[in-house]
Amino acid sequence: EAGVTQFPSHSVIEKGQTVTLRCDPISGHDNLYWYRRVMGKEIKFLLHFVKESKQDESGMPNNRFLAERTGGTYSTLKVQPAELEDSGVYFCASSQLTGKSYEQYFGPGTRLTVT
Amino acid sequence: GNSVTQMEGPVTLSEEAFLTINCTYTATGYPSLFWYVQYPGEGLQLLLKATKADDKGSNKGFEATYRKETTSFHLEKGSVQVSDSAVYFCALFNQAGTALIFGKGTTLSVSS
Repeated sequence: EAGVTQFPSHSVIEKGQTVTLRCDPISGHDNLYWYRRVMGKEIKFLLHFVKESKQDESGMPNNRFLAERTGGTYSTLKVQPAELEDSGVYFCASSQLTGKSYEQYFGPGTRLTVT
Repeated sequence: GNSVTQMEGPVTLSEEAFLTINCTYTATGYPSLFWYVQYPGEGLQLLLKATKADDKGSNKGFEATYRKETTSFHLEKGSVQVSDSAVYFCALFNQAGTALIFGKGTTLSVSS
């Protein structure tokens, strides 16, 4: 069974540019989460999709961040325009909708560097 | 609110030494507790979990016991190996919430 995949693995952009991160969850997992770890700090929740609907986006830092999950499959996270403080590792995770919904499977992360 | 506090690193040990990484939590209700590990160059992996008080999670020689009375979930291993070098994250999932809440992570470095 394929795990959670993320693309790209690393992105370096200049301040003011736009970047789009992609996450492909485990097939059949309706829950999809985005998290972010800024260097040296906690991994923090950004938002949660159930299928194509945003269940909770309370962790999104501001309106420069836009997440979508068209068709309830893969998800994208766009940062526009990027700022220096957006640098960090962005993780995606997925889980089943019922049963062990708390058991989240993480992708390898996308390391974003804004210069 | 819900939060997780884990010991600051880095932790540096020699091979075969005993490991303890402390983790305490604050939460309403009875959360599920987890340890995740991130090996160099890889993503987060679930190491072990416990879903109710007094449960012991174990995997790869690591153990942690859910202690409700002390709100703790300390990670232990009797004899660490060089391959255990990684960043370890304690986390909780509260049934009232929708996402994992993580500690800051503890970097473990094991030398031979």
